[in-house]
Formats: sequence, structure tokens, C-alpha cells
Amino acid sequence: DAGVTQSPTHLIKTRGQQVTLRCSPKSGHDTVSWYQQALGQGPQFIFQYYEEEERQRGNFPDRFSGHQFPNYSSELNVNALLLGDSALYLCASSLELIDTEAFFGQGTRLTVV
Amino acid sequence: KNEVEQSPQNLTAQEGEFITINCSYSVGISALHWLQQHPGGGIVSLFMLSSGKKKHGRLIATINIQEKHSSLHITASHPRDSAVYICAVSPSDSNYQLIWGAGTKLIIKP
Repeated sequence: DAGVTQSPTHLIKTRGQQVTLRCSPKSGHDTVSWYQQALGQGPQFIFQYYEEEERQRGNFPDRFSGHQFPNYSSELNVNALLLGDSALYLCASSLELIDTEAFFGQGTRLTVV
Repeated sequence: KNEVEQSPQNLTAQEGEFITINCSYSVGISALHWLQQHPGGGIVSLFMLSSGKKKHGRLIATINIQEKHSSLHITASHPRDSAVYICAVSPSDSNYQLIWGAGTKLIIKP
């Protein structure tokens, strides 16, 4: 079992560009959550997808959007990148409810220049 | 005041020492998670607990629901235990997200 896989591992983008990050959940998991972790801080919840729909959203602007595919994999899209979007983006997969154990990917390190 | 507080923020110890990291929270929870994050970012779930105590190898996690407090202990610490340890809770009024502590940076010196 490959666990949760994220791609790419590192990415450099220019301010104003758009980026797409990808996450494949652990086998059998149907729920994907995305987090943003700025340097030296704890992760901040962006949103969660279940059954191909956004189920809950944290305090992030509409520039952050996502998608979940029928195979439960997920994408995080960020438009009009700002320097402040530079962070580690973590994907977590679980079974429907977050109070079942969540498994995390290695993250995608996004640098906006 | 943060809803999840960890202490200490930083901890440096010698190899072999017994390590304790504390977590206090102010919300009702359905579960508490201890996670480990190594340099480079990957997060590993160590424990999920809603009562009592769990043990895995040299790691022990305890929780006191009445006092809203949890501890993570590492016995016979080793340099490879060096990492950031994060406490996160699943609030009982929301099944959809974790509330995270700021993390404890642990360095174990040989």
C-alpha cells in the first residue's frame, strides 16, 4: 500500500500564476482534506472533499479551489498566486469522518517568487 | 488563546532521556491525535485516542478527558526521534477538520 501520495514534491511559481497540486489517498479511503502549513506554523485547514463534493471549508479565499475524482483522488488549485501562498501543502486521507485515523502525504512545497 | 496549546515549544535532550510533551485543549473533542513531522514536511500519525492510554514501541500517549489534557512520552529517546510533534484534536461539534497545536520541536543529542 503506497499510502497517501502527493505530487509534485516541490514547485516554484511566479506571482499571479496558477498551480494545481495532486493527492492520491490511501487505498480504501474516500475522504481527502487539504492543509496549508506556513514555515514555522501549524497546518491550517483549507477544505475537505467527500463523494466528489466540498464538504467543509476553512478560512481561505475563493482563489483556492479543489476537486475530487470518482477514484477519490483530489486536486487543489490556487489561482492568482501571491507570495504569501508559499507554504507546504499537505493532503490527508481518511474514511469519511475525520475522527477516524488520518494518513498524511509528504506534502508539496510551493514557493511563489 | 489558542484552542490547542502545546508545551514546551522547543525541547533539547540527551540520548536516552525520558521525554514528555504536553497538550491542553479548550474545546469538546471526539478524539485527539499525536503526529510527527520530520524536516521536509511529511506528517505521520502516531496515535489517535479518545480515552486512557496507548503504547507503540517507545511511544506512550495518555489522555485525561476531564482535565482536557494529553501527554506524549518517549522512553529511551534516540536522535532519530528528533522531529516536530504535533497535537491535534477533532472537535466534537465538527467531524470535518482538525484543530492543530503549534507543535513541539524535539532535538535529541547523541
